[in-house]
Amino acid sequence: KAGVTQTPRYLIKTRGQQVTLSCSPISGHRSVSWYQQTPGQGLQFLFEYFSETQRNKGNFPGRFSGRQFSNSRSEMNVSTLELGDSALYLCASSLGATKETQYFGPGTRLLVL
Amino acid sequence: QKEVEQDPGPLSVPEGAIVSLNCTYSNSAFQYFMWYRQYSRKGPELLMYTYSSGNKEDGRFTAQVDKSSKYISLFIRDSQPSDSATYLCAMSAEGGKLIFGQGTELSVKP
Repeated sequence: KAGVTQTPRYLIKTRGQQVTLSCSPISGHRSVSWYQQTPGQGLQFLFEYFSETQRNKGNFPGRFSGRQFSNSRSEMNVSTLELGDSALYLCASSLGATKETQYFGPGTRLLVL
Repeated sequence: QKEVEQDPGPLSVPEGAIVSLNCTYSNSAFQYFMWYRQYSRKGPELLMYTYSSGNKEDGRFTAQVDKSSKYISLFIRDSQPSDSATYLCAMSAEGGKLIFGQGTELSVKP
């Protein structure tokens, strides 16, 4: 069974631009969560989608948004990029609503210049 | 104070040693406890999970949860150089978001 895939793997943007990251969950998984990982703050929860509905949201500004499609694929968008948005963005999928079987993708490394 | 505290290390041990990794937490509503392993430039990989209190063993790995002390541990027996990675604890309440520790960087020397 294929794992969680994320595209693109690497991205360089400049301040003020916007970016869209994509995540394809494991086949059959309906829950997709997004995380930001930085050396200083560690892994921080952004939001979770289950059957196209946002179930949980972390403490990030409104510039960070996401959505999930009917095939469970998910996208996250960051508008008006700031230097501090440079991070590894990780997507994780799970079969149902609980987190114990959550599997992570390889991440998208975003660098904002 | 962070909800989940984890010593970032780094921790360096010789091959074959027993490794003990720990996290403390403050939210008594946490019911699901996980350990992830993350190699450099990779996504975290789920190692073990435990629901509520107790122990769970899987090969060389043992996870323990002590809810009365709000303390969880991961033990690695007969550690190998391939175990060198960052280990992250994570936990959540029922239906809640996953909260991660900072991660402990482990290095197992041959």
